[in-house]
Amino acid sequence: DAKTTQPTSMDCAEGRAANLPCNHSTISGNEYVYWYRQIHSQGPQYIIHGLKNNETNEMASLIITEDRKSSTLILPHATLRDTAVYYCISPSSNTGKLIFGQGTTLQVKP
Amino acid sequence: NAGVTQTPKFQVLKTGQSMTLQCAQDMNHEYMSWYRQDPGMGLRLIHYSVGAGITDQGEVPNGYNVSRSTTEDFPLRLLSAAPSQTSVYFCASSPMGTSSNQPQHFGDGTRLSIL
Repeated sequence: DAKTTQPTSMDCAEGRAANLPCNHSTISGNEYVYWYRQIHSQGPQYIIHGLKNNETNEMASLIITEDRKSSTLILPHATLRDTAVYYCISPSSNTGKLIFGQGTTLQVKP
Repeated sequence: NAGVTQTPKFQVLKTGQSMTLQCAQDMNHEYMSWYRQDPGMGLRLIHYSVGAGITDQGEVPNGYNVSRSTTEDFPLRLLSAAPSQTSVYFCASSPMGTSSNQPQHFGDGTRLSIL
């Protein structure tokens, strides 16, 4: 399982883009990068995932560096409801286990 | 389509009591797992299963038992509850067998307090 490293906390102004970084220098070639978020004490919510190419969906964009050692989750227009803990995870390609770190607490401010 | 359903949502136990946390999914997912989350902490993997009849330990398996007799259900058993097991428990599932190209879907959690 690739170890991921994220900043503990970040602030973002409402309406601005939130860029959340993640380092995963030990990721292997067939392991995906996943992003989840957890609002209050709800169950984690899947946001996006990718392998090599940049990905975009209705919630966010994922930018993965060419060497795959790091990635950035982009929330293009953050709202107050995006305040949450964001987890960057790379599950084992053999077992699919998700090992959660501490994540990044994103505070979106008015 | 109910997704991942966890019951009960809340439970209070006395030390030494036993109970089973239920988790069911109606998406025919092969992979299911249990996590616990303590206040201010990230989720920690307790046990997981890659298919019916197959289970394995996660990061913090001690004090918990699991079984997977059907694809749909993955109950978590506390044989003798301890105050250290006070936590919020989340169940998750995904379609994967061994592929990691499938996101996991989480239930709403069971909030367990042990006195």
